[in-house]
Amino acid sequence: AQSVTQLDSHVSVSEGTPVLLRCNYSSSYSPSLFWYVQHPNKGLQLLLKYTSAATLVKGINGFEAEFKKSETSFHLTKPSAHMSDAAEYFCVPNFGNEKLTFGTGTRLTIIP
Amino acid sequence: GAVVSQHPSWVICKSGTSVKIECRSLDFQATTMFWYRQFPKKSLMLMATSNEGSKATYEQGVEKDKFLINHASLTLSTLTVTSAHPEDSSFYICSARAGLNPTGELFFGEGSRLTVL
Repeated sequence: AQSVTQLDSHVSVSEGTPVLLRCNYSSSYSPSLFWYVQHPNKGLQLLLKYTSAATLVKGINGFEAEFKKSETSFHLTKPSAHMSDAAEYFCVPNFGNEKLTFGTGTRLTIIP
Repeated sequence: GAVVSQHPSWVICKSGTSVKIECRSLDFQATTMFWYRQFPKKSLMLMATSNEGSKATYEQGVEKDKFLINHASLTLSTLTVTSAHPEDSSFYICSARAGLNPTGELFFGEGSRLTVL
């Protein structure tokens, strides 16, 4: 079965420290993968996407993610957290059809 | 990037009334749009897939007669919550895909918060 798992429902980091948000997918083939960010009472904004090109993908606001087929992972990272990064993050694979499968989301809290 | 606009951003209505939410793709044509519902501190739940010029495809458990979806043009889809009740209060988000590639990026509206009194 095709699915996505965001391993942490809530992550807290101090401002200026690295951020790691974990995402694993389950599929018999490599899907397209997206990370979206949602600020309170807002829609979703695309951070970055993997579409079978380079496995290390750079996105907006200093975020990047690495696709690891052997680990079926697409973890999101940022070297130094900023207060404005506090939001909900969704890992979203596309398994080849037009619908997207949303992870449960990870709420990122930044400690001043 | 492409812009998707939702209107209204906030709406409060009385129980039993109907509310219409619009989703517009401002600078691209969208053959397919999606409607989601999001409960507080929860992920997005796909309600239906809206296809221009044809009937929407609803996900299992979503009442077609309660949530009417119309996709009258390549830039506009509407969601009408009929005979709204307090349990329909939620955050509704639409998205649209530019182009025909089913694995392409989705662009999201800003969401519409519905409160039913």
